[in-house]
Amino acid sequence: DAGVIQSPRHEVTEMGQEVTLRCKPISGHNSLFWYRQTMMRGLELLIYFNNNVPIDDSGMPEDRFSAKMPNASFSTLKIQPSEPRDSAVYFCASSAGGVPVHFGDGTRLSIL
Amino acid sequence: KQEVTQIPAALSVPEGENLVLNCSFTDSAIYNLQWFRQDPGKGLTSLLLIQSSQREQTSGRLNASLDKSSGRSTLYIAASQPGDSATYLCAVRGNAGNMLTFGGGTRLMVKP
Repeated sequence: DAGVIQSPRHEVTEMGQEVTLRCKPISGHNSLFWYRQTMMRGLELLIYFNNNVPIDDSGMPEDRFSAKMPNASFSTLKIQPSEPRDSAVYFCASSAGGVPVHFGDGTRLSIL
Repeated sequence: KQEVTQIPAALSVPEGENLVLNCSFTDSAIYNLQWFRQDPGKGLTSLLLIQSSQREQTSGRLNASLDKSSGRSTLYIAASQPGDSATYLCAVRGNAGNMLTFGGGTRLMVKP
């Protein structure tokens, strides 16, 4: 049974470039979450979707960040333009009802 | 706004000890509470999920308790092993949405 799948696992790019992170949730899960983890701030919720609809995006840092979920099996988080302070590990997670939330392995993003 | 605190931030114990990790939350109106384990450079692995109506959950050497009225949860690890070394995070889900609010984690090291 495949878990939450994220790609790429690692991304290194220069400041100002567009970055796209991808996530495939567990089949049958109707909630999808994007989290960011840094040493200073820990795990922060950026946005979550329920049935492909964005429910709460209050954690999205600024307009440079955008997220989409075009269907139940795919979501993207885009940063344009990227900045060094965006460097972090970005996690995607999914759940359904009261079952445990399952996390992907994360994308380690470095902006030079 | 829900706030989750974990104490201690770091803990080092010799192999074989029983230990307790603490988690407190400010808003007792929770739907459930989840304990996760995170190994360095990895994603989060769900350990135990306690629904708001439950008092405890057990899995192998792990036991998690929940006292919703006082805003506390504990994770008890029996007969600790070096393989238990990791960061342990607790997260609460509120009644008003599916997202989890995380504590800062406890970094555990079990020495052989």
